Amino acid sequence: NAGVMQNPRHLVRRRGQEARLRCSPMKGHSHVYWYRQLPEEGLKFMVYLQKENIIDESGMPKERFSAEFPKEGPSILRIQQVVRGDSAAYFCASSPVGVMSNQPQHFGDGTRLSIL
Amino acid sequence: DQQVKQNSPSLSVQEGRISILNCDYTNSMFDYFLWYKKYPAEGPTFLISISSIKDKNEDGRFTVFLNKSAKHLSLHIVPSQPGDSAVYFCAASARTGNQFYFGTGTSLTVIP
Repeated sequence: NAGVMQNPRHLVRRRGQEARLRCSPMKGHSHVYWYRQLPEEGLKFMVYLQKENIIDESGMPKERFSAEFPKEGPSILRIQQVVRGDSAAYFCASSPVGVMSNQPQHFGDGTRLSIL
Repeated sequence: DQQVKQNSPSLSVQEGRISILNCDYTNSMFDYFLWYKKYPAEGPTFLISISSIKDKNEDGRFTVFLNKSAKHLSLHIVPSQPGDSAVYFCAASARTGNQFYFGTGTSLTVIP
């Protein structure tokens, strides 16, 4: 499968636990974006990463959330001490170039995070 | 601050007729616009895009129109097919930025 791969597809956590969401971009894509979709809402940008660098994290909450895209391996979105309000669908997208090059992003099928 | 707006949460159309989905934006710096289609439990799939130097882009049954003065774009699907039933998101970006801004989506139902 040459598409954007996200895992797990579903993740259940109890309040206070940590959630780790993984994203492997399409082959040849070095730009990764994370979005969050709350029920009945559109996709909200969280963070933009390029291999080993965070380019823009303006949409990510300042506390408890972090993201990385190491030289080897998938991009990770990490949520520490989860709360009920973190329940959402988290989507990863990738592209071969940045947004300024006017190319579409390609999305994975998302991780549905449920907090008990 | 919702910079991209889709004011119609849902739309129903008879099979074979035209579907028109609308999108408005507020940021005059946006210069690239896209439409994505999303089925339940799947990620958005890129459908069609248009840059601000054009006012129309066509791909098969799908045509996107851009009216820069009105800050409005629309997606026309003709003829509509039952398989087109999905949620459609419009998105926009600016060359100076790092992100796409998405609307809240319009759920299209094509009735056989």
